[in-house]
Amino acid sequence: EAGVAQSPRYKIIEKRQSVAFWCNPISGHATLYWYQQILGQGPKLLIQFQNNGVVDDSQLPKDRFSAERLKGVDSTLKIQPAKLEDSAVYLCASTTKVYEQYFGPGTRLTVT
Amino acid sequence: QKEVEQNSGPLSVPEGAIASLNCTYSDRGSQSFFWYRQYSGKSPELIMFIYSNGDKEDGRFTAQLNKASQYVSLLIRDSQPSDSATYLCAVHSGGGADGLTFGKGTHLIIQP
Repeated sequence: EAGVAQSPRYKIIEKRQSVAFWCNPISGHATLYWYQQILGQGPKLLIQFQNNGVVDDSQLPKDRFSAERLKGVDSTLKIQPAKLEDSAVYLCASTTKVYEQYFGPGTRLTVT
Repeated sequence: QKEVEQNSGPLSVPEGAIASLNCTYSDRGSQSFFWYRQYSGKSPELIMFIYSNGDKEDGRFTAQLNKASQYVSLLIRDSQPSDSATYLCAVHSGGGADGLTFGKGTHLIIQP
């Protein structure tokens, strides 16, 4: 079974630029999550999708972050404009059961 | 605000000894509890989950849950150098929004 795929793996941008991350979950997984992991901290949930609907986006900074999951499969997370404090690893996870969240390799974002 | 607290460490344990990792959580309504292992530069991988008071064993790992004390622990028996990693405690509060709340993690070092 293929795992969660994410791209790009690394991205360096200047502040105020925009960036987008892509995630392809494990086939058949209806639930998809985006987490932000700042160095030295645990992952923080940004948004949860169930199929193509948003279940929880309470911690998503909506003035600059947006996410979508068209057709209930792939998802993209966008930041516009980026700030220095957005430097982090962005992790995508998918699951059919809450106790089996599978994480992708992550995208490491550096904002300069 | 739901909080999960862990001692960041580092926790240094000699090879072959028992490593004991601890976690407390603030939301008394939390229902499920998870331990993830994260190697440097890698994404978290699930080790164990527990949702009933008491102990749950899986190979060299034992998770312990005390809901009255809002306390979760992970014991690693016969510690190996390959167990050196950051261990993340995560909590699920139940309901439809089932993203996890993570602690900052404990950095474990197994000394050969």
